[in-house]
Amino acid sequence: EDQVTQSPEALRLQEGESSSLNCSYTVSGLRGLFWYRQDPGKGPEFLFTLYSAGEEKEKERLKATLTKKESFLHITAPKPEDSATYLCAARGRFGNEKLTFGTGTRLTIIP
Amino acid sequence: NAGVMQNPRHLVRRRGQEARLRCSPVKGHSHVYWYRQLPEEGLKFMVYLQKENIIDESGMPKERFSAEFPKEGPSILRIQQVVRGDSAAYFCASSRDSNYGYTFGSGTRLTVV
Repeated sequence: EDQVTQSPEALRLQEGESSSLNCSYTVSGLRGLFWYRQDPGKGPEFLFTLYSAGEEKEKERLKATLTKKESFLHITAPKPEDSATYLCAARGRFGNEKLTFGTGTRLTIIP
Repeated sequence: NAGVMQNPRHLVRRRGQEARLRCSPVKGHSHVYWYRQLPEEGLKFMVYLQKENIIDESGMPKERFSAEFPKEGPSILRIQQVVRGDSAAYFCASSRDSNYGYTFGSGTRLTVV
């Protein structure tokens, strides 16, 4: 069974303090590692998809990287508006098109 | 609005009543997925549908839950005889095909009293 584990559960940073969020996955035949952002009371908002180890993608202050066992979401010089829950999800070979989600990292950026 | 539209946003039902949740996918998307999010838990897959077909319902409870995506109109997630444990946020997502990412709606928050 596919599994996705995210750490830490919660992270508080000062504005401008860079850090990384971790996503460990156990998936048979990875066909995509997804990162989403979720604000309270809203649906997940797509950020990135990574497909193979070594791949990196960037968007503003966010950069996602992928290895054979983990993915990292690096946040550089975060601002208060980056506060949200960040979700990681994996799509495996044998699960049709379903995504297996982690429980998320709740990020708070303090001004 | 080009996003996934879900309604209602909030739904309150008494135990034993039926709940109907609607999802209109992004225009041009023919793949629809339903996920459930319980408090302090991650999103859990329920069902994957294409027009008039259920492709994968491995995450759906065997009883009381059903889903459809008719040729015309929105996808419907139906929960019969709701119980308090059904209280959750239900999210719908759509995609153009399996090679593309998923766009999520804002969800329906079901409260069973």
